[in-house]
Order: sequence, then C-alpha cells, then structure tokens
Amino acid sequence: QSVLTQPPSVSGAPGQRVTISCTGSSSNIGAGYDVHWYQQLPGTAPKLLIYGNSNRPSGVPDRFSGSKSGTSASLAISGLQAEDEADYYCQSYDSSLSGYVFGTGTKVTVL
Amino acid sequence: QVTLKESGPVLVKPTETLTLTCTVSGFSLSNARMGVSWIRQPPGKALEWLAHIFSNDEKSYSTSLKSRLTISKDTSKSQVVLTMTNMDPVDTATYYCARMTDSSRGGWFDPWGQGTLVTVSS
Repeated sequence: QSVLTQPPSVSGAPGQRVTISCTGSSSNIGAGYDVHWYQQLPGTAPKLLIYGNSNRPSGVPDRFSGSKSGTSASLAISGLQAEDEADYYCQSYDSSLSGYVFGTGTKVTVL
Repeated sequence: QVTLKESGPVLVKPTETLTLTCTVSGFSLSNARMGVSWIRQPPGKALEWLAHIFSNDEKSYSTSLKSRLTISKDTSKSQVVLTMTNMDPVDTATYYCARMTDSSRGGWFDPWGQGTLVTVSS
C-alpha cells in the first residue's frame, strides 16, 4: 500500500510541459527525506530519473526536473516527446514505517 | 559497469517458500554506502519495497511483510538472497533487485535488475 500519492495519469501534446505531483506526509517527505523519481517504459525495469529531489544522473536529458516543498514533490517534463510515454514513480523514506516507500505511479501519455 | 540479475523459480505453489537470488557485478557488496534491495510489482500495479541489506550486513524489512521475509548476502559470491514464506496468489509479481546508494536523507535505487516474474498458482 503506497503512502505517497500521485495522479493516475497526465497527458500532453508533443512539446508541452507536464508536471507530476507526489504527496506525502510528515513522516516521509515532510520529515526532510529526499524524493527520487523513476521512469518505467513499457515492459522494462524502472530507471532512475531524478535523485536527491532535483539531481539528474548522467545521461538524463535536462527536460526532466524535480523539486520538493513541504510534504510534496514534483517532476516536470518540458518539451514532451513521444519517447517520454511511460509510468513514473516517486520514492522516499518513511520514518514511521522504517522503510522505503514508492508513489502510486503516474502514466504519462503523449497525445 | 554495474549490473544486477535476478534468478529463481517462475512458478510456485501456494504455501510454498520462494527463494530468489540477485547476482551483482561491477561493485562489491561490502562497499560502504551501497546496499541491495528487493522490490516487487504485481501486474499492472505500483512498485512495493520489500527488504534491504546494507554493506555492514544490517537488514531492513517492509513492516507489512516482515514476518515472511529473510534477506541475506554472500559477499564472496556477489549474491543477495531473498526468501519469502507462505506464498499466496496475491504475491504474483515481477520481483526486482536494485542497488541502493545510501544517504542520511534516504537513499535511491540505481541500477535495477531486469526483474523476474513469479507466478503463484496451484
């Protein structure tokens, strides 16, 4: 059972900007734990997209950006491309559960 | 190049015990700040973290599954093993292992193995 809530789906036309929210609580994001984001293309394993709230691993386009504020975090995709169509998950640590938690996942559709 | 690969049965019967092995390469299981987690994903559903083993052999488990899980490692073989007892059809999922870079503010998983689909059925 996910403790981080994401919208089930977002969509946009090619070239547009979309954002995905990740809402947590005072025991995870609000407690100061970092948020990380993953992209899961159909039929493949998740891939790290953003770590430490806003850092991009080598090879990730700068069209992807992350931010965090209070008990929430956001992933933004600018200049949306067809290859960005995938599921996206946020992840953090929860002190009440003493473990790692994932978001409910968001499917991005490119119109 | 860091890689992880899961192996184990594709089909288990209800009440049986599942044993999965994650074989890693490109890093040592004794590296500080590095550990390995198991994460699963039922078909069409979200990711769920299961267990983690740190470089110092400290272990951490999902509170909801703790009674059924055991994680261990063999550093010399570069392997991490997860056992899950009393399997049920709801445990049908793709099981991933992933390297975690530890941080005081909560670590992240990178890279991930390709995953292995485990079906629980009689």
